[in-house]
Amino acid sequence: GNSVTQMEGPVTLSEEAFLTINCTYTATGYPSLFWYVQYPGEGLQLLLKATKADDKGSNKGFEATYRKETTSFHLEKGSVQVSDSAVYFCALSDVTNAGKSTFGDGTTLTVKP
Amino acid sequence: NAGVTQTPKFRILKIGQSMTLQCTQDMNHNYMYWYRQDPGMGLKLIYYSVGAGITDKGEVPNGYNVSRSTTEDFPLRLELAAPSQTSVYFCASRRQGGGTDTQYFGPGTRLTVL
Repeated sequence: GNSVTQMEGPVTLSEEAFLTINCTYTATGYPSLFWYVQYPGEGLQLLLKATKADDKGSNKGFEATYRKETTSFHLEKGSVQVSDSAVYFCALSDVTNAGKSTFGDGTTLTVKP
Repeated sequence: NAGVTQTPKFRILKIGQSMTLQCTQDMNHNYMYWYRQDPGMGLKLIYYSVGAGITDKGEVPNGYNVSRSTTEDFPLRLELAAPSQTSVYFCASRRQGGGTDTQYFGPGTRLTVL
């Protein structure tokens, strides 16, 4: 079956540091890939997505590139802010199977001033 | 649009009690999903629906039931609550077709079974 493996956390960075959160996946077919963000006490919000190989998703300074050859979708941001502190989930969605999603376990990011 | 709404926000149950978690979406989405999120873990799919009257099991369906009588509503029923069902429950919806596969999530229901 499908699976998503995320870099274990927690991750603590200083403001303006560079962020990388690794994500690799196993899937049959050609899934879409997502990064979701969850702030304390809230549901998941879509951060960015990519639907095919070599696509780059980007939003709010975050980027991730769909790498089929390495089955990866690493999240990056050049300069993090305190407001980026949250839990980040990598996920894949199989549109050929009712769009069911498989999620990684999440990575908690804390950014200190 | 309110998006996806869930009630209640919090609930404490005793072992053996039953309850229904409500989920409503106002985006006319065909697809709806129920997930549970255990501490420090990702989301696990409980049940899903591809349209009114059609439901199917996900990865962890045991101890739960669902129904989908309308496009808007997708309630999740817990029968005979057990401590292992202590979790945060999220409902999500997705539009069918158009190549979009983004799911929209509700704010969650935090359930504790004692």
